[in-house]
Amino acid sequence: AQSVAQPEDQVNVAEGNPLTVKCTYSVSGNPYLFWYVQYPNRGLQFLLKYITGDNLVKGSYGFEAEFNKSQTSFHLKKPSALVSDSALYFCAVRDRAGSSNTGKLIFGQGTTLQVKP
Amino acid sequence: GAGVSQSPSNKVTEKGKDVELRCDPISGHTALYWYRQSLGQGLEFLIYFQGNSAPDKSGLPSDRFSAERTGGSVSTLTIQRTQQEDSAVYLCASSLESTSRQTQYFGPGTRLLVL
Repeated sequence: AQSVAQPEDQVNVAEGNPLTVKCTYSVSGNPYLFWYVQYPNRGLQFLLKYITGDNLVKGSYGFEAEFNKSQTSFHLKKPSALVSDSALYFCAVRDRAGSSNTGKLIFGQGTTLQVKP
Repeated sequence: GAGVSQSPSNKVTEKGKDVELRCDPISGHTALYWYRQSLGQGLEFLIYFQGNSAPDKSGLPSDRFSAERTGGSVSTLTIQRTQQEDSAVYLCASSLESTSRQTQYFGPGTRLLVL
């Protein structure tokens, strides 16, 4: 079964410092990986995705993620954190199993990012 | 352009009542998904529609849950005889098609509270 793990419930960083939110995955075949962000009382906003090609993917709001096949990881990064980056972050893998191939997303449990001034 | 919209944004109901949640996908998107976000279960898939194909209902937690999509656009998720454990945020997403490369775009969600 395909799955995603976000090992940290919360990440705390100081504004201006680099941030990393970790994600590991378990899939059969090549993974299609996504990061979403959720602000309080809002839906999920798409940040970036890895489908194929360069292992370093750049996304919205200065975020990037590095796909590492050998470590089965897809960590989200940003060189300089902002207080406004404080939110709940979800890693997800696109389900490609089975003949139905609905393409539904399988999500990690989420990581709360707290950026302090 | 307009994103995915959902209504109502909040719904409070009494146990045993039926509720209907509505989703308007992005225009031109043929794939539509419903997910549920709850404290204990995280984000879980409920149901999927693709064009005129039969929906994938594999994620629906019980037969009290049903959904339809009329004219390949608007979708309604219905929960009959609501229970307190149905309290959650119900999220709708749409994508251009169902292939794995496509990005799913989410609506703001409907927050359901069953008293």
